[in-house]
Amino acid sequence: DSGVTQTPKHLITATGQRVTLRCSPRSGDLSVYWYQQSLDQGLQFLIQYYNGEERAKGNILERFSAQQFPDLHSELNLSSLELGDSALYFCASSPRGLVFYEQFFGPGTRLTVL
Amino acid sequence: KNQVEQSPQSLIILEGKNCTLQCNYTVSPFSNLRWYKQDTGRGPVSLTIMTFSENTKSNGRYTATLDADTKQSSLHITASQLSDSASYICVVSPNTGNQFYFGTGTSLTVIP
Repeated sequence: DSGVTQTPKHLITATGQRVTLRCSPRSGDLSVYWYQQSLDQGLQFLIQYYNGEERAKGNILERFSAQQFPDLHSELNLSSLELGDSALYFCASSPRGLVFYEQFFGPGTRLTVL
Repeated sequence: KNQVEQSPQSLIILEGKNCTLQCNYTVSPFSNLRWYKQDTGRGPVSLTIMTFSENTKSNGRYTATLDADTKQSSLHITASQLSDSASYICVVSPNTGNQFYFGTGTSLTVIP
C-alpha cells in the first residue's frame, strides 16, 4: 500500500459526459501528479501540482483540468468524454516538486466511456 | 524529439534465471532515469532512480545501470521469482521543467 488513495476505483460513463477523479496524497507529500495509461499509448504524464499550484503540464487535453485543494487532495476533471478517453488514470505523490523525488502511485481509477 | 524505447517488448524466463531489460532514450538534457515495476491493474512501484552521476544502483535482486554517454540503461534481475512477473517501465526526465517520458515497458513472465 503506497499510502495514496484514489476514488472511485471504477467509473463507467457515456460519451459527452463529465467526470471527476479524486486523489489523496501520502501524508506529508506536497506534490501530486496525474497520469493516463491506455492500452495503445502506455503511461503518459498529464499534469503536476505542488502545494496547490500547477507546476508542470504534460500531454493534457484542453477538455481535462485539475486542481489541488488546501488540504492537498487533488481532483482531475474530464469533460466532453470520448471513447478514446477510456483508460486507467493514476495519481502519484511525492514529498517535494522536483523531478528527482520518488513518486508513490495510487491504485488508479479505471474509466470506461461507452 | 524526446523518446524512450524499451526492449524486448516481452520476455519469458524460467524461475531462478537472470534476465536483463534494456532502455534507450533520446531525452535531453538528461536529469534522471527511473525504473518501475507494474503488476497488472495496479499502480507502478519505483525500483530505482538514477541521476547523471550514477552508473549503477541496486535494490535487492534488481540492479540498474546507466550509461549517460550512450543514453542507455539496463535493469538486471537476478534469481528471478514468480512474483517478478510484471511490466517493467523505464521513465526519463529532462532537467528543463518537470516532464516525464515513459517507455512502453517490457512484459516479463516468470514460469516455474
